Amino acid sequence: GQQLNQSPQSMFIQEGEDVSMNCTSSSIFNTWLWYKQDPGEGPVLLIALYKAGELTSNGRLTAQFGITRKDSFLNISASIPSDVGIYFCAGTTSGTYKYIFGTGTRLKVLA
Amino acid sequence: EAGVAQSPRYKIIEKRQSVAFWCNPISGHATLYWYQQILGQGPKLLIQFQNNGVVDDSQLPKDRFSAERLKGVDSTLKIQPAKLEDSAVYLCASSLDSGTGELFFGEGSRLTVL
Repeated sequence: GQQLNQSPQSMFIQEGEDVSMNCTSSSIFNTWLWYKQDPGEGPVLLIALYKAGELTSNGRLTAQFGITRKDSFLNISASIPSDVGIYFCAGTTSGTYKYIFGTGTRLKVLA
Repeated sequence: EAGVAQSPRYKIIEKRQSVAFWCNPISGHATLYWYQQILGQGPKLLIQFQNNGVVDDSQLPKDRFSAERLKGVDSTLKIQPAKLEDSAVYLCASSLDSGTGELFFGEGSRLTVL
């Protein structure tokens, strides 16, 4: 099945650094969701985006709905060790909420 | 508010055996999803229910996988007979369908087929 492309695939950063990741699609989406998944757990919803150009924050996390509606971005400021995990984007093109998930960005934070 | 409940958390079976997973969504959530997540990949949709009707099952391998949501609440996903490539985490998610479409996941059921 189709999956969204996430970049980078993995990243190692120092504690305190800012992190940026993105998600791209060949299709236009009308909703983007960002999730974090810890080992052995289900994905946890971080941020939901519903309008092109929308910028939404959740604590140190900020996500943006790209104006082309084919991409989305997630930024984490001042990373801490508990930010370690896999970040997934998900998008849907229809009102039936059939979501396609990205390939994931694996984040590792070095203390 | 209780989250999405799934059981069992772990299951190990031999190939050609059968297995069933259970999911109870968040109370009041009309839409229920089953996703398959293979190690190192993102979740892949298997089936989506709206109340007790199927919205999308185009990615469900119907020769061996079946799912039901008889009363529009909890759901069961069955695999029979299992193959080695079915080893994965089976994630259940639900959404309220208030127009926001936010999906909330359970902890998943990890299946190992030997």
